[in-house]
Amino acid sequence: DQQVKQNSPSLSVQEGRISILNCDYTNSMFDYFLWYKKYPAEGPTFLISISSIKDKNEDGRFTVFLNKSAKHLSLHIVPSQPGDSAVYFCAASDRDDKIIFGKGTRLHILP
Amino acid sequence: SQTIHQWPATLVQPVGSPLSLECTVEGTSNPNLYWYRQAAGRGLQLLFYSVGIGQISSEVPQNLSASRPQDRQFILSSKKLLLSDSGFYLCAWSDGGEQYFGPGTRLTVT
Repeated sequence: DQQVKQNSPSLSVQEGRISILNCDYTNSMFDYFLWYKKYPAEGPTFLISISSIKDKNEDGRFTVFLNKSAKHLSLHIVPSQPGDSAVYFCAASDRDDKIIFGKGTRLHILP
Repeated sequence: SQTIHQWPATLVQPVGSPLSLECTVEGTSNPNLYWYRQAAGRGLQLLFYSVGIGQISSEVPQNLSASRPQDRQFILSSKKLLLSDSGFYLCAWSDGGEQYFGPGTRLTVT
């Protein structure tokens, strides 16, 4: 049973445009949400996070939005750059510090 | 600053052979430690996590085991590898917030 779902395995976006990556979760006990970026043959790197008490967190070109009633979060990247091409993992945790990851979305930034 | 090391980077092992992957963390004390596996076409699957020396929690029944002999050392082992154990193994640490990942080990079981 997947608690964190990324329903789009891949996404292609033109360079300079906005990339929107979506994530849904089922466990209402999750109170902390994270996005990780992963290049091939490397470990994931932490990108941005949001606590359940907020509905938006922004860091440079990256913004994460949280809709608790819909159990949905999204990552916006604007403007998209070639170096943003990677696999993006959505993740969620509750108070016991375990993080549950989605299956990832591969983002392709097109020139 | 904190750093996390994993070795080896790549490993090719025959079916039935043993396995030992090591992970060490520097620059922090009493971290939470985690082992994940990323199999082809799948996400990151949590295998084990540890909140202290000798304290290991297993998330999925499997052919693997983990040990934490020292505060900043986490070892993933198997007595007999299966073909299905092939994948990319990642160690991670946290101090209760974000997790920080090591470079990973690519294991191919032949």
